[in-house]
Amino acid sequence: QVQLQESGPGLVKPSETLSLTCTVSGVSISTYYWSWIRQPPGKGLEWIGYISSSGSTNYNPSLKSRVTISIDSSKNQFSLKVNSVNTADTAVYYCARLKQIWFDYWGQGTLVTVSS
Amino acid sequence: EIVLTQSPASLSLSPGERATLSCRASQSVSTFLAWYQQKPGQSPRLLIYDASSRAPGIPARFRGSGSGTDFTLTISSLEPADFAVYYCQHRNNWLSLGFGGGTKVEIK
Repeated sequence: QVQLQESGPGLVKPSETLSLTCTVSGVSISTYYWSWIRQPPGKGLEWIGYISSSGSTNYNPSLKSRVTISIDSSKNQFSLKVNSVNTADTAVYYCARLKQIWFDYWGQGTLVTVSS
Repeated sequence: EIVLTQSPASLSLSPGERATLSCRASQSVSTFLAWYQQKPGQSPRLLIYDASSRAPGIPARFRGSGSGTDFTLTISSLEPADFAVYYCQHRNNWLSLGFGGGTKVEIK
């Protein structure tokens, strides 16, 4: 079955770069689009962006200037970088598969706290 | 930018009752709308896509309806496992996706 697992540091200092990786199993990453979504504690969901298997990307306009999503098909992984983080970037970060325009498989999520 | 507004923000009901959740788009999204269920400490789960199609494994008591700007998720008879937060999600074009603010369905 399709499984996604986020990994990366749980604590990032303000102004530094948040880096997360999503490892996909049960399906080739080369056949779908893949996305990152985040959820600040106690709040709703925010779409961050997505990447195609060929590497084309699209980002939430509110985050576009600070976000990069990349893909490594050889490892069946895709990654997220958010530059110049601040406390407002503290959130649970989810990776998900984008089927057509719906998120049909999600990772368990990983909490990233921005704090000095 | 299309904004999705969900109402009510919270709903207090008893098991066995019907739940009616609303999602309104600031401009038409045709039927490009999905619903997700999220329980505490868990990832969201896709319930409904294309406004009214149930995702695999989703019970028939979950029904989505609507098109254009007004959408409804109806849970015909609430079971204990259904008490959760529900989000709607749209795409306005292939370049942008977004979520509503959520509706929390609580046990009365």
